[in-house]
Amino acid sequence: DAKTTQPNSMESNEEEPVHLPCNHSTISGTDYIHWYRQLPSQGPEYVIHGLTSNVNNRMASLAIAEDRKSSTLILHRATLRDAAVYYCILPEGNNDMRFGAGTRLTVKP
Amino acid sequence: NAGVTQTPKFQVLKTGQSMTLQCAQDMNHEYMSWYRQDPGMGLRLIHYSVGAGITDQGEVPNGYNVSRSTTEDFPLRLLSAAPSQTSVYFCASSYASGVPDTQYFGPGTRLTVL
Repeated sequence: DAKTTQPNSMESNEEEPVHLPCNHSTISGTDYIHWYRQLPSQGPEYVIHGLTSNVNNRMASLAIAEDRKSSTLILHRATLRDAAVYYCILPEGNNDMRFGAGTRLTVKP
Repeated sequence: NAGVTQTPKFQVLKTGQSMTLQCAQDMNHEYMSWYRQDPGMGLRLIHYSVGAGITDQGEVPNGYNVSRSTTEDFPLRLLSAAPSQTSVYFCASSYASGVPDTQYFGPGTRLTVL
């Protein structure tokens, strides 16, 4: 059973903000929301994670809905280097990151 | 720190051959894991280890063996390669194993089985 649902693909223009949505309607009270991204021909890399409150770091912001059934990864100014597949993950026990198909982000110059 | 390293980067095998994919990390991480990624798909967990001497199966363990004799190394063995094992293999590590922690991934090994 998929724990998260993401759009298959999204497009953005360079220098504009990007909002990548994720639905996780069956989330439990202790589930953290993790985001990773995978650049072409590379391994995944950590982007951000959160539990209840919105989170910011140097790469992105994570906005979590009040009922925690959805979240949004925000890239404030997309660059060409941000073109990647973005994965929204609710880890299983034992750190099992169940990667779905993710959202393929295309950034247009 | 080199982070997570994997060797080889590319490998071609014939059906029935065996081989070992190497993974090492220099961050003193307890938790290490192996994933495979088929074309156009997300990653699937093969095996994982919560510390030296302890391993367990993930989502797709059949056809693979692992061992963890040291904290640093976590090799993945293909016992008798099959075309269905053609994939990109990623090793990952993280500091903690009891709670979901940031995972660091290696660059991957691209395996083709003919």
